[in-house]
Amino acid sequence: DTEVTQTPKHLVMGMTNKKSLKCEQHMGHRAMYWYKQKAKKPPELMFVYSYEKLSINESVPSRFSPECPNSSLLNLHLHALQPEDSALYLCASSQDPRGGFEQFFGPGTRLTVL
Amino acid sequence: QKEVEQDPGPLSVPEGAIVSLNCTYSNSAFQYFMWYRQYSRKGPELLMYTYSSGNKEDGRFTAQVDKSSKYISLFIRDSQPSDSATYLCAMRGTGNQFYFGTGTSLTVIP
Repeated sequence: DTEVTQTPKHLVMGMTNKKSLKCEQHMGHRAMYWYKQKAKKPPELMFVYSYEKLSINESVPSRFSPECPNSSLLNLHLHALQPEDSALYLCASSQDPRGGFEQFFGPGTRLTVL
Repeated sequence: QKEVEQDPGPLSVPEGAIVSLNCTYSNSAFQYFMWYRQYSRKGPELLMYTYSSGNKEDGRFTAQVDKSSKYISLFIRDSQPSDSATYLCAMRGTGNQFYFGTGTSLTVIP
């Protein structure tokens, strides 16, 4: 199984809502990532978890809150978002955060903030 | 200077052409190099990955890395309309952060 799954596929939320994005992988990867991607731009790193601990936070606003409950799951909790946060949110995983293995992406959650 | 530079295109070729996509980088610590294909409104799909310098071939795709020139390439032979997508290069050093190019938009015309 070389798949990263993400739910939901699409999400529409108001600025006062609280929602969560979910990511799952069963490849035994120990690094998991959240990226934000705007149209016609490359993925922009938000967070990296290494062995279930937050290792990189790219100065992301606190309205985005990541969580890694176990080695297979990664969540992104959303609260009080702004319309400019509308984007494709991508989850990815890689085998060994200290080694040189490739990164696999999920299909993404398309988020629209009204 | 950006860590990774990639010509955004767009690139338009006839079906059956050989396509060459390129990235340059500035960080000599990068050791692992990847190419992703991304269709519109989908997540990136890993196409090829290589370690250090050299060539790697997979079907119609060939990845080349020249560390001395800090230059990587992806060649697509016998291009097909289904190859129409955005191609992203990515690379990393020994840490767990990946650096992406801006992506090249490719259209293969039947």
